Amino acid sequence: DQQVKQNSPSLSVQEGRISILNCDYTNSMFDYFLWYKKYPAEGPTFLISISSIKDKNEDGRFTVFLNKSAKHLSLHIVPSQPGDSAVYFCAASAFNTDKLIFGTGTRLQVFP
Amino acid sequence: DTAVSQTPKYLVTQMGNDKSIKCEQNLGHDTMYWYKQDSKKFLKIMFSYNNKELIINETVPNRFSPKSPDKAHLNLHINSLELGDSAVYFCASSLLSGSSTDTQYFGPGTRLTVL
Repeated sequence: DQQVKQNSPSLSVQEGRISILNCDYTNSMFDYFLWYKKYPAEGPTFLISISSIKDKNEDGRFTVFLNKSAKHLSLHIVPSQPGDSAVYFCAASAFNTDKLIFGTGTRLQVFP
Repeated sequence: DTAVSQTPKYLVTQMGNDKSIKCEQNLGHDTMYWYKQDSKKFLKIMFSYNNKELIINETVPNRFSPKSPDKAHLNLHINSLELGDSAVYFCASSLLSGSSTDTQYFGPGTRLTVL
């Protein structure tokens, strides 16, 4: 039972344009959502998060949007840079638990 | 200065062998985790320890036994290795236990191949 889904395994975007990565979840108990970024041969690194009491969180070029009614979140990167090329994992957790449920990742490639 | 380190980075072994993967964190965190990323890229939690005490124990075969000699180390021992154990194993740590908002820091991973 895949509770967090990233239906796009890959995304290719031109440098300077916006990258939009999507994530859907099924468990209504999830109340905290995170995005992790992973380069080859490295572990995932935390990028940005959002609590269920918010619908938007912004950090520099990265913005996460949460639509609770649709059980959907998205990560916007603008402008995209070649260094953003990586695999992006969406993750979720329920209140008072540190058990993260990850999606399968979306590979983003930003080309010049 | 590595925050979460794992050894070895690669591990190739035969079916039936016993092997260990070591993890150390120098962040002063109280909680450590083991995750498994299988061939389908699912990254799933296996165990978590808080200050040497087992907190999360997902449905993992008994052949997998985590050991935490102190709160800075969490090793993973696997007995009687099977082909299906081939995966990348990630160690992680966080400051607190049971906090959904506490950032988890991951190690670089250990790629285990069972032949």
